[in-house]
Amino acid sequence: EAGVAQSPRYKIIEKRQSVAFWCNPISGHATLYWYQQILGQGPKLLIQFQNNGVVDDSQLPKDRFSAERLKGVDSTLKIQPAKLEDSAVYLCASSLFREGLKNIQYFGAGTRLSVL
Amino acid sequence: AQKVTQAQTEISVVEKEDVTLDCVYETRDTTYYLFWYKQPPSGELVFLIRRNSFDEQNEISGRYSWNFQKSTSSFNFTITASHVVDSAVYFCALSEPSNDYKLSFGAGTTVTVRA
Repeated sequence: EAGVAQSPRYKIIEKRQSVAFWCNPISGHATLYWYQQILGQGPKLLIQFQNNGVVDDSQLPKDRFSAERLKGVDSTLKIQPAKLEDSAVYLCASSLFREGLKNIQYFGAGTRLSVL
Repeated sequence: AQKVTQAQTEISVVEKEDVTLDCVYETRDTTYYLFWYKQPPSGELVFLIRRNSFDEQNEISGRYSWNFQKSTSSFNFTITASHVVDSAVYFCALSEPSNDYKLSFGAGTTVTVRA
């Protein structure tokens, strides 16, 4: 079974530029998550989708970050304009369900963003 | 308040030594889930184990074992006879119904196994 796919693996941009990350979850997984992981810290949830609807985006800086999950499969996360403090690894994860015994989240390899 | 505390920032051992990673959590829910993930240098978080709060039986999987102590709110992880490939950052995480089952991660423990 294929895992969670993310691209690109690395991205270097200058501040005030825009950037987009792509995620393809495990086939059949209804729930998709985007996390931000700053160096030396655990992942922090940015947004959670159930199929193509947003379940939780309370931690998403909506003035610059946006995300969508069209058709309930692939997802894109965009930052516009980027700030220096956005330098981090952006991880995508998916799970069969949000709760219960099928709530194990499986992660992709992440996109390492450097904002100069 | 930090829901998951991993007090050890870094641990360095020589190959074949045992390593124990501590995890202490905080929750008011009676039903909850605890997880351990491994993050090797490649960056991907690899799922290792999920423990339900109502199942306190300890678990062993090869060289990995987990000790769940509800009375002390701890879920410790031991790697027996460590290998160089065990070098990674290990994260403990908590999932609670009162937090809509979102994962709350600890800060992670970096394990370095030297040959």
